[in-house]
Amino acid sequence: SQQGEEDPQALSIQEGENATMNCSYKTSINNLQWYRQNSGRGLVHLILIRSNEREKHSGRLRVTLDTSKKSSSLLITASRAADTASYFCATVVRVGNEKLTFGTGTRLTIIP
Amino acid sequence: EPEVTQTPSHQVTQMGQEVILRCVPISNHLYFYWYRQILGQKVEFLVSFYNNEISEKSEIFDDQFSVERPDGSNFTLKIRSTKLEDSAMYFCASKRRDSARGGELFFGEGSRLTVL
Repeated sequence: SQQGEEDPQALSIQEGENATMNCSYKTSINNLQWYRQNSGRGLVHLILIRSNEREKHSGRLRVTLDTSKKSSSLLITASRAADTASYFCATVVRVGNEKLTFGTGTRLTIIP
Repeated sequence: EPEVTQTPSHQVTQMGQEVILRCVPISNHLYFYWYRQILGQKVEFLVSFYNNEISEKSEIFDDQFSVERPDGSNFTLKIRSTKLEDSAMYFCASKRRDSARGGELFFGEGSRLTVL
């Protein structure tokens, strides 16, 4: 079974609109992280939310975590063409080692 | 800003050949990782390395794979006898020491391995 699954798999919106991506996972976690990947490039960390947190903000990003439902969402407000990328959630079960278990990703396309 | 660097960016090899992928993690980081991403699929954990030894490895990381930190700066992944299914993008990542409460990983740009 997959630890992290994103929904939707692909999302296309107009520039300026908000984009919401969801992530579900199966086991208890210590923290959940969101990463961004431009096509063919490396992963860039966006935001980390711990299991005892419910919401976190960073610039235009807002992340929520519902541990009872084992789900998280990433909201990007006022989207820009440069936000076009794949977005992955990744869960950490045990701190220290920080093995990330990645989800399947959401491919976000911002239409100028 | 410090970054994780990986070489080569792309390597093409014949099945059965040995491949070494190299990484230079960020200098004050203490945890090191290799992940791989088969084209169009999810990013998969291979191995984590701390204090000069493997701390965890996945089922993918079988006897054909090995990691080394030979000189205190480089971190290498060796695939002893490549198979077609080893074709993927391989990402190196590192993490700071102050991560008792959990922290972000810094990823390199990846090394694309193509096995023919």
